[in-house]
Amino acid sequence: DSGVTQTPKHLITATGQRVTLRCSPRSGDLSVYWYQQSLDQGLQFLIQYYNGEERAKGNILERFSAQQFPDLHSELNLSSLELGDSALYFCASSVESGTPSYEQYFGPGTRLTVT
Amino acid sequence: AQKITQTQPGMFVQEKEAVTLDCTYDTSDPSYGLFWYKQPSSGEMIFLIYQGSYDQQNATEGRYSLNFQKARKSANLVISASQLGDSAMYFCAMREGWLSFGNEKLTFGTGTRLTIIP
Repeated sequence: DSGVTQTPKHLITATGQRVTLRCSPRSGDLSVYWYQQSLDQGLQFLIQYYNGEERAKGNILERFSAQQFPDLHSELNLSSLELGDSALYFCASSVESGTPSYEQYFGPGTRLTVT
Repeated sequence: AQKITQTQPGMFVQEKEAVTLDCTYDTSDPSYGLFWYKQPSSGEMIFLIYQGSYDQQNATEGRYSLNFQKARKSANLVISASQLGDSAMYFCAMREGWLSFGNEKLTFGTGTRLTIIP
């Protein structure tokens, strides 16, 4: 158990809908990352937040948005869903340290199926 | 060019043998980090080992070691004495930039599926 929690574990929804994925980082971790893992695209970095602020953006679509709240939990919002958005969405957390050897702790993922 | 290349889509290895999973990377950033993650069939991502670009020694964590050859830009994972529980997908990843400076990027390879044969 990495200490990172994600809800829900599974989500099935229809095209055009909007969903929210939730992530709680490990206690003490200030940084949250979101990733998408799909069969055709592999594991792709979407976005990173640090202590409530957006820090880095990867291959995140405009239909997707995220935020990190004062209690450090984060939500990933996916809207106007398409079949191709079906994937495993991971959240990871890490703590900023003085050395670069910080690892990211991954949550169990949310499997999104768009029908 | 691909940032992270894992050329072995699948490998079959006899139990108790050592296995090397290949990873090459491409970056012009002098400061970077290389990671290996394991993803079992259950889906979770498990951190295995980390190597920093300025680290002089190869990283080791139990049965895992990272064969870091900076000039060749390679960061192969070596698993000694493989076990049935090592069967999983293995991902090499590279971090460029710094979290503190807000320019951190993490790129994953396409993975190698390792199957340990009893």
